[in-house]
Amino acid sequence: NAGVMQNPRHLVRRRGQEARLRCSPMKGHSHVYWYRQLPEEGLKFMVYLQKENIIDESGMPKERFSAEFPKEGPSILRIQQVVRGDSAAYFCASSSDRGSGELFFGEGSRLTVL
Amino acid sequence: GENVEQHPSTLSVQEGDSAVIKCTYSDSASNYFPWYKQELGKGPQLIIDIRSNVGEKKDQRIAVTLNKTAKHFSLHITETQPEDSAVYFCAAKVGFNNNDMRFGAGTRLTVKP
Repeated sequence: NAGVMQNPRHLVRRRGQEARLRCSPMKGHSHVYWYRQLPEEGLKFMVYLQKENIIDESGMPKERFSAEFPKEGPSILRIQQVVRGDSAAYFCASSSDRGSGELFFGEGSRLTVL
Repeated sequence: GENVEQHPSTLSVQEGDSAVIKCTYSDSASNYFPWYKQELGKGPQLIIDIRSNVGEKKDQRIAVTLNKTAKHFSLHITETQPEDSAVYFCAAKVGFNNNDMRFGAGTRLTVKP
């Protein structure tokens, strides 16, 4: 009974490159949330998706960042033209429903921008 | 929107002592307050939660208390053990949706053997 799977666990990119982070939710979960964690800081909400729909992207920067959760396959957080300030841990969580279910987190993807 | 403040940012205790972490929230409509434990290199894991219609909840060595009037809630860990060492996050949710959950900045707890 696999939990939330994220990959890659570690990603190094040079400024200007693209970063793609993938998240497979827990089996049976159709609600996915992405968070960013800067060193010594809490989890900042970025985006909430259901299959094929972005429900809430209020925490995601308007430029360079995008997210999707296709009908088949994992959810993807895409960061274009990365800058040093994008260096952070990106966590994905999933839940069985939009409100009453517990959030289950993956182990995170740590992005380093050189 | 909801704003969650967490104190202290670091806490060091001797094994066997108690540890208390406090959080305050700004939106009186918040109704769900989970606590997450994050071990080094891992994702956060829910350890205990409390809803706004309850004042206290206990699970073995862990307890959470909620004061709705003062808008603060606390995590209490008794008889601490070295494996309790981790970063602990509080969170508060306004309304029904999980995407309205907001997290505190975290407390790094170190339990010295």
